[in-house]
Amino acid sequence: EVQLLESGGALVQPGGSLRLSCAASGFTFNTLVMSWVRQAPGKGLEWVSSISDSGTTTYYLDSVKGRLTISRDNSKNTLYLQMNSLRAEDTAVYYCAKWKDRRGSIFDSWGQGTLVTVSS
Amino acid sequence: EIVLTQSPATLSLSPGERATLSCRASQSIGSYLAWYHQKPGQAPRLLIYDASNRATGIPARFSGSGSGTDFTLTISSLEPEDLAVYYCQQRNSWPVTFGGGTKVEIK
Repeated sequence: EVQLLESGGALVQPGGSLRLSCAASGFTFNTLVMSWVRQAPGKGLEWVSSISDSGTTTYYLDSVKGRLTISRDNSKNTLYLQMNSLRAEDTAVYYCAKWKDRRGSIFDSWGQGTLVTVSS
Repeated sequence: EIVLTQSPATLSLSPGERATLSCRASQSIGSYLAWYHQKPGQAPRLLIYDASNRATGIPARFSGSGSGTDFTLTISSLEPEDLAVYYCQQRNSWPVTFGGGTKVEIK
């Protein structure tokens, strides 16, 4: 059974930093692209970032480029999102999600999410 | 960026009725469209991918159709547990984008 378990969400001040983690199990982690998708309170879904199976290629939403960094440790089956220079508009539940297969961004498994609140 | 527009915003139907949800893309995305639903307090779940393929474990009452810019998710006979917000999502080009959602209410 696929499991994705996010952690690291917290209340942080504007301009602050945070690192989210997503521990994966139940599938061959190093063969699939992984992604972060967020959901602001009461709002819809917004894709944030994706990283290739090897970790060498990354993709970002324009509004987070230069502030959020996706990475992965395939030896630990863990996905990360380093969040710097946080803004109020980054407040959201952050989900990690896996691609179904190599065809592209079909998110077939999601974690339960971790809440990031940016406020003074 | 490809914009996905979902309609209606809210759909209120009785159990057993047919639900038809629409998703329109701002430019052609071929068949690279997926549907998810998100029940209250839960993470999203994949229902349909590549416009018409049901994901593993999804009941046959859910079906998807369309290509190009116009897509439809149909729930043939609504069940009480189908109460959720339904999102479409395109993977034709970066950035991946989602529609704003359709809330399905059960009368």
